Amino acid sequence: QLVESGGDLVQPGGSLRLSCAASGFTFSNFWMSWVRQAPGKGLEWVANIKQDGGEKNYVDSVKGRFTISRDNAENSLYLQMNSLRAEDTAVYYCARGGRYFDPWGQGALVTVSS
Amino acid sequence: DIQMTQSPSSLSASVGDRVTITCRASQAISSYLAWYQQKPGKIPKLLIYAASTLQSGVPSRFSGSGSGTDFTLTISSLQPEDVATYYCQNYNSVPRTFGQGTKVEIK
Repeated sequence: QLVESGGDLVQPGGSLRLSCAASGFTFSNFWMSWVRQAPGKGLEWVANIKQDGGEKNYVDSVKGRFTISRDNAENSLYLQMNSLRAEDTAVYYCARGGRYFDPWGQGALVTVSS
Repeated sequence: DIQMTQSPSSLSASVGDRVTITCRASQAISSYLAWYQQKPGKIPKLLIYAASTLQSGVPSRFSGSGSGTDFTLTISSLQPEDVATYYCQNYNSVPRTFGQGTKVEIK
């Protein structure tokens, strides 16, 4: 099971940190990913992170602004989002896997608006 | 980046019909392709990975085929509970990329 938290309304240029609590599997054995979905739109992969945190990948549109991290002792995944823009408004899903994604969390809504 | 193009964008079919959705990659991705189902108001669900491997628990009326650049998701006999948007996804390289989605409705 994956449960996201931290979604909120934030002003453009602001910051937000999403968390994802994992349970029911050995978290430290899996790559993890963030995928987002803007309102009424399709799916967009955002970032992934290797089991030990030693490798991270990002979509170009968030490079330098977002940071993915994990705490295997706490079975938790994070997404630090800085310099947020209106186009970052979306439901952010935490998902197990670095290649394909299963399962997915319920999502956290991030709204960037003044 | 590898672009994924699905067709059609939407379709309407009758219960029991055979439904086919196509996904085309802008460059060859071997069999590194997954398919997802997202029902209205719900989270995405993995249906197929490695182009043709059915995820555990997914009904056998779903099947996938293809390799290289051209892929197909087939529903052999459409059921009312299959109303959803279906997405293909490339995992041959980073960034992982999704198709724009195909919305399936019942006629």
